[in-house]
Amino acid sequence: QSVLTQPPSVSAAPGQKVTISCSGSSSNIGNNYVCWYQQLPGTAPKLLISDNNKRPSGIPDRFSGSKSGTSATLGITGLQTGDEADYYCGTWDSSLSAGVFGGGTKLTVL
Amino acid sequence: EVQLVQSGAEVKKPGESLRISCKASGYSFTTYWINWVRQMPGKGLEWMGRIDPSDSYTTYSPSFQGHVTISADKSISTAYLQWSSLKVSDTAMYYCARRANPADYWGQGTLVTVSS
Repeated sequence: QSVLTQPPSVSAAPGQKVTISCSGSSSNIGNNYVCWYQQLPGTAPKLLISDNNKRPSGIPDRFSGSKSGTSATLGITGLQTGDEADYYCGTWDSSLSAGVFGGGTKLTVL
Repeated sequence: EVQLVQSGAEVKKPGESLRISCKASGYSFTTYWINWVRQMPGKGLEWMGRIDPSDSYTTYSPSFQGHVTISADKSISTAYLQWSSLKVSDTAMYYCARRANPADYWGQGTLVTVSS
């Protein structure tokens, strides 16, 4: 099992909005920044959101991140078929002294 | 432009040794930690460990400690991940990434297949 918990899958229609949750504990999400990664089929992961809610250059503002306590959320608005991918949350775990990821959420744009 | 370029796919037999590489360019290699991440077939991302290229100080996930070795050669801006005795269960895609949180740049991945 992954240290961080994500739903295995989410789906929505093109143009709609979807949220993906990521749940952890005080040793990881509760006291460290959360990042989100997008992994398109057959490619390497790509940083989508850093420091809970910051978008790297080139990431459209359709993607947003938030954090509250020991949980974080990725939001995607104006869904496109090209957004179909696996999405992972990640952070540092201060107790493990290790990076940790969620199990990943597969987004299907119906 | 920051780039991490990894070595090519490998096919090995159980018990063999292996070292894969990750060559960095476009930034000062000694400024940021290099991390290694495993992705087994059809599975999620697992953080393996990291190295500070400035002094080769390493930390490992408890799950990988003792099973792999991470090293770096700052003279050629290259980090390595190595195994002394591969197992079938080491079959996976391995990614290097700059920094851990966030991992802001990723290599393209190296597929390691271990099969008898």
